[in-house]
Amino acid sequence: DQQVKQNSPSLSVQEGRISILNCDYTNSMFDYFLWYKKYPAEGPTFLISISSIKDKNEDGRFTVFLNKSAKHLSLHIVPSQPGDSAVYFCAASSFTGNQFYFGTGTSLTVIP
Amino acid sequence: DAGITQSPRHKVTETGTPVTLRCHQTENHRYMYWYRQDPGHGLRLIHYSYGVKDTDKGEVSDGYSVSRSKTEDFLLTLESATSSQTSVYFCAISETGTGELFFGEGSRLTVL
Repeated sequence: DQQVKQNSPSLSVQEGRISILNCDYTNSMFDYFLWYKKYPAEGPTFLISISSIKDKNEDGRFTVFLNKSAKHLSLHIVPSQPGDSAVYFCAASSFTGNQFYFGTGTSLTVIP
Repeated sequence: DAGITQSPRHKVTETGTPVTLRCHQTENHRYMYWYRQDPGHGLRLIHYSYGVKDTDKGEVSDGYSVSRSKTEDFLLTLESATSSQTSVYFCAISETGTGELFFGEGSRLTVL
């Protein structure tokens, strides 16, 4: 059973606009959430993370929002750039466990 | 970049043959993971290790075994490869088991 879900397989956005990628989880024990970016033929690279004690974390153009009551997190990219075109995975872990659970990914295309 | 090397990067083999993928790290991280990436499934955990000779199963462990005799090396073995094991395999490492996860570049395995 998928504990981390990304329900949008793909997303297209115009350059300069905001990209919003969504992720839902089912396990209330998760307390650390991460976003990864993956280009073709490369390994995923860490983008940004958030602890469950926060509801927002920013790093430059990237902001992650966490809504614990809804078990939902989102990644905002503003402004979107063509180089942001990639597959984005969200992941979750718990401080009491040793595993990371990943969603199925969202393929973002930023149109110049 | 985290020092993670996967070998081989590409391999084509036949059904029924044994295959071993190697992951080598230079970061001295305690935790090491093997994931497979398949379309529509995202990244799924096969096995992970939380120390030398300490391993545990992930969500898709059937048909795979692992070994970790040194901190820096984590081997994934397919005892008798099947076509359903055609995939891209990623090794990942983590210092704490809950924080950031760093990935290797992947090993593409094709089982004919």
